[in-house]
Amino acid sequence: QSALTQPPSASGSPGQSVTISCTGTSSDVGGYHYVSWYQQHPGKAPKLMIYEVNKRPSGVPDRFSGSKSGNTASLTVSGLQADDEADYYCSSSAGSNNFVVFGGGTKLTVL
Amino acid sequence: EVHLVQSGAEVKKSGESLNISCKVSGYSFTNYWIGWVRQTPGKGLDWMGIIYPANSDAIYSPSFQGQVSISADESISTAYLQWSSLRASDTAIYYCARTFYYDDSAYFDFWGQGTLVTVSS
Repeated sequence: QSALTQPPSASGSPGQSVTISCTGTSSDVGGYHYVSWYQQHPGKAPKLMIYEVNKRPSGVPDRFSGSKSGNTASLTVSGLQADDEADYYCSSSAGSNNFVVFGGGTKLTVL
Repeated sequence: EVHLVQSGAEVKKSGESLNISCKVSGYSFTNYWIGWVRQTPGKGLDWMGIIYPANSDAIYSPSFQGQVSISADESISTAYLQWSSLRASDTAIYYCARTFYYDDSAYFDFWGQGTLVTVSS
């Protein structure tokens, strides 16, 4: 069982927006400003999409945005495109002993 | 351009040892941490540990402490993940990734292509 809880699936039509949640506790998501999001296409390595809750690495479209409220972080994908269909994983710090914990992943389907 | 190139797929038997590698290029190997992440089918991602190649300082996830060893060879810009005695439950894809580690947190900005390890009992 993953430390962070994500919905197993999410979907949206091209052009729409979809938000994926990542729920933890005050010991991880709620306690740190260090949430990351990764995109993984089938058979490929994960790709960093968001770090430190809402920062985008160079090259990631601004259609991807992150936020956090309390113990829940969110990834919003706006203007959905076919290539956005992938698995998305969140990650957070959980303190000095275990500073990377992942969510179980959400499969995003573009209808 | 940053590249992390991992060694090829391995098929092993329980009890055997194994060493997989991750060769980096495109940046200074000694200036960044390197991490290892396990992906098991249907069970998502697990962080295993990180190493700072400049001084080989390694930090392990509590879940993997004592189960694996992480090392690095600065002279060839290569990091390693090692098992002394494999178990069937080690069957997974293993990724190396360039790691930003600070303030008791880490994220991974560039990833290798993954190494599939299959362990039969």
